[in-house]
Amino acid sequence: ETGVTQSPTHLIKTRGQQVTLRCSSQSGHNTVSWYQQALGQGPQFIFQYYREEENGRGNFPPRFSGLQFPNYSSELNVNALELDDSALYLCASSNWDRDTQYFGPGTRLTVL
Amino acid sequence: KQEVTQIPAALSVPEGENLVLNCSFTDSAIYNLQWFRQDPGKGLTSLLLIQSSQREQTSGRLNASLDKSSGRSTLYIAASQPGDSATYLCAVRGTGANNLFFGTGTRLTVIP
Repeated sequence: ETGVTQSPTHLIKTRGQQVTLRCSSQSGHNTVSWYQQALGQGPQFIFQYYREEENGRGNFPPRFSGLQFPNYSSELNVNALELDDSALYLCASSNWDRDTQYFGPGTRLTVL
Repeated sequence: KQEVTQIPAALSVPEGENLVLNCSFTDSAIYNLQWFRQDPGKGLTSLLLIQSSQREQTSGRLNASLDKSSGRSTLYIAASQPGDSATYLCAVRGTGANNLFFGTGTRLTVIP
């Protein structure tokens, strides 16, 4: 069974740029959730995708957007990057009818 | 809005000691509670998941308890080892919610 993978591992961008992060869900999982974890904080929910549709969103502005593909992999896009967007971005996959979310290793985004 | 608090923020113990990590949450209408481990700069590893109808779960040297009415959970680690050094995060999923609310974690250091 393949676990959750994320790419890239690290990324450095400048303020105002756009970024795309990618996540491959665990085999057999149809739900992907994205979280932002600032340094020293717990992860904060960004949004969730279930069967290619957004299925819940946290308190993040519209410049945070996402996609889920037919193979259930997912992208997180962030436009007009701000310094406060610097964080570890985590994705988690699950089956809708199961409770445990399995997390990937994360993408470390630094905005200069 | 659900708020999750973890005390203490950091803990240092000698190897072999038993220890307890605490988690409290403000809204007792939860679906489940999950404990995670996070190594520095890494993703999250699920340790234990407790359904709202359960009182405790055990896995090896780990035991998690849940008192939903008082909004509290504890993670008990027996015979601690240096390899247990990590940040431990508690997360709750509310009824009808599809995301996890995380605490800020307890950073554990086990001294050889």
